[in-house]
Amino acid sequence: DTAVSQTPKYLVTQMGNDKSIKCEQNLGHDTMYWYKQDSKKFLKIMFSYNNKELIINETVPNRFSPKSPDKAHLNLHINSLELGDSAVYFCASSLWTSTYEQYFGPGTRLTVT
Amino acid sequence: GDSVTQMEGPVTLSEEAFLTINCTYTATGYPSLFWYVQYPGEGLQLLLKATKADDKGSNKGFEATYRKETTSFHLEKGSVQVSDSAVYFCALSDNDYKLSFGAGTTVTVRA
Repeated sequence: DTAVSQTPKYLVTQMGNDKSIKCEQNLGHDTMYWYKQDSKKFLKIMFSYNNKELIINETVPNRFSPKSPDKAHLNLHINSLELGDSAVYFCASSLWTSTYEQYFGPGTRLTVT
Repeated sequence: GDSVTQMEGPVTLSEEAFLTINCTYTATGYPSLFWYVQYPGEGLQLLLKATKADDKGSNKGFEATYRKETTSFHLEKGSVQVSDSAVYFCALSDNDYKLSFGAGTTVTVRA
């Protein structure tokens, strides 16, 4: 059974389009995250939700909007995609009581052309 | 703010060689320290952790000791294998409900 899953695995789209990435975890965790990894492997947190409540909202353009319909799901919607949005996006989850031990999904490679 | 600095890669080694990846940190409090590993095409996995000074984390032959006096958490393995080829991330958590990652070090082990 996949612990943290993301769809799609690859996403190729044109500038200006709107796209969504979905994330689901079956670990019973109550906290979920979105990270962006650039081409140099640098990993930066974007958002964190605990029990559907936004906890961390780093400096991210307003074009990025997370949505957490329930504790097991955290989706990321991106409006008006730009070339600089090309990256690998990782979803992760943890228990609130041990946020350091995060379980990562396999990543979604987004390419904006 | 909190930050992690780790040695730049890439690092290329032969099988059975000794691996060290340096990591130092800056934090206002008393952070917990971690090493995560990312194998090709996969997400990150927690490799080992240490939650207080002088703790030693270990897993899969890797070790790291939390050194408060030098604010360091260097990763070591005595004899690497090809399967250890990955990107290694040092990270800290300072009770602010998030992890701060270093830039990652790419390690390639050749047979």
